[in-house]
Amino acid sequence: DIVMTQSPDSLAVSLGERATINCKSSQSVLNSSNNKSNLAWYQQKPGQPPKLLIYWASTRESGVPDRFSGSGSGTDFTLTISSLQAEDVAVYYCQQYYGSSYSFGQGTKLEIK
Amino acid sequence: QVQLQESGPGLVKASETLSLTCAVSSYSISSGYYWGWIRQPPGKGLEWIGSIFRSGTTYYNPSLKSRLTMSVDTSKNQFSLNLSSVTAADTAVYYCARSVAGALCFQNWGQGTLVTVSS
Repeated sequence: DIVMTQSPDSLAVSLGERATINCKSSQSVLNSSNNKSNLAWYQQKPGQPPKLLIYWASTRESGVPDRFSGSGSGTDFTLTISSLQAEDVAVYYCQQYYGSSYSFGQGTKLEIK
Repeated sequence: QVQLQESGPGLVKASETLSLTCAVSSYSISSGYYWGWIRQPPGKGLEWIGSIFRSGTTYYNPSLKSRLTMSVDTSKNQFSLNLSSVTAADTAVYYCARSVAGALCFQNWGQGTLVTVSS
């Protein structure tokens, strides 16, 4: 099974500053059929279901603000929020969808400093 | 816009079977996509349970596979989850979701339903 490890567990960033969340997989999730990594990012606010932000490691979901971006390939991935807004306070999860068994990271709690 | 709604008992006794249904509206399950279940214990992170295609092809979390059955009913436009021999560790909010086209991550989610396992 692929284990997803996020860092840090929690993060406090000032409004307007950059926030960076990392995600590492225990084995490569690079899809050889399309040369894309099977990695997604979600945002979850209290009392709400998760919201898909990014898939294929760097494809932004429709309607997601362009301050959110994803990067990385293989085993190491990053979610970047270029200029933190108050509404971005949430828990963020990565998820791998490689092969036939899928898994989430443990989550990173993002707060305002 | 596709909508998903979970339904089922909010309280299940330990050792019994947890059964949930996800009703899908504004999209026909038989048209495609993968459909999945994800759960979240109170105050904890997300756990993928399993995914199913319209044909009935399933992918299960290995840690739950021995207790898990998922099915799809295209005539009712819904899919279901049965988890047997539940314990307190199965207490969670259960979400149903639809995948992204061509990718087994989850684009559309239900609001979730809390299932508590009692002893």
